[in-house]
Amino acid sequence: TQLLEQSPQFLSIQEGENLTVYCNSSSVFSSLQWYRQEPGEGPVLLVTVVTGGEVKKLKRLTFQFGDARKDSSLHITAAQPGDTGLYLCAGNPTGTASKLTFGTGTRLQVTL
Amino acid sequence: EAQVTQNPRYLITVTGKKLTVTCSQNMNHEYMSWYRQDPGLGLRQIYYSMNVEVTDKGDVPEGYKVSRKEKRNFPLILESPSPNQTSLYFCASSLLWGRGAGGRAHNEQFFGPGTRLTVL
Repeated sequence: TQLLEQSPQFLSIQEGENLTVYCNSSSVFSSLQWYRQEPGEGPVLLVTVVTGGEVKKLKRLTFQFGDARKDSSLHITAAQPGDTGLYLCAGNPTGTASKLTFGTGTRLQVTL
Repeated sequence: EAQVTQNPRYLITVTGKKLTVTCSQNMNHEYMSWYRQDPGLGLRQIYYSMNVEVTDKGDVPEGYKVSRKEKRNFPLILESPSPNQTSLYFCASSLLWGRGAGGRAHNEQFFGPGTRLTVL
């Protein structure tokens, strides 16, 4: 059973479109992180959300942590080819500071 | 430059031949971890270490060993590799305690470049 479910698994869109990626769980997390991974490289941290209801913006990327700290979303505005990659959410279930659980990922392709 | 390094980057070996994948970080991080990444299964944690001489099993520890004799190094050992251990392996490190309110642990990971292992 996957603790963190991401949707969609695959997304192919054209440059300029908007998109949202979801990360859902039945467990409560003390924090959730989003990473982006490009082919042949390790994941790179984009953001950490900590407080229920928190919204963080990183240029065209908007991250939200659910009020109950069980889910998160990543919204990209006006996607660009440079946004192409594998997006991973990850979190520490409450009370397990040492174990980081990753979602299965959303593979995004942005074409011209 | 702050980084996590892994060696080798690519390795093809045969069943049963012991191997070690090295991992080193230069950020003085307490926490280090090994993951494997497989299609459709995402990143799964193999072992982690919260400090020198402190290691614990992750979600998929069978067939692997680790050691943490120094803070900067966290090697992954496959005593008798099997074909089902063919995978892409990542080492990661982090500060255990983040910057959040109350010092809650965020475990923001810095990843190495990966080691692609094929066991024939």
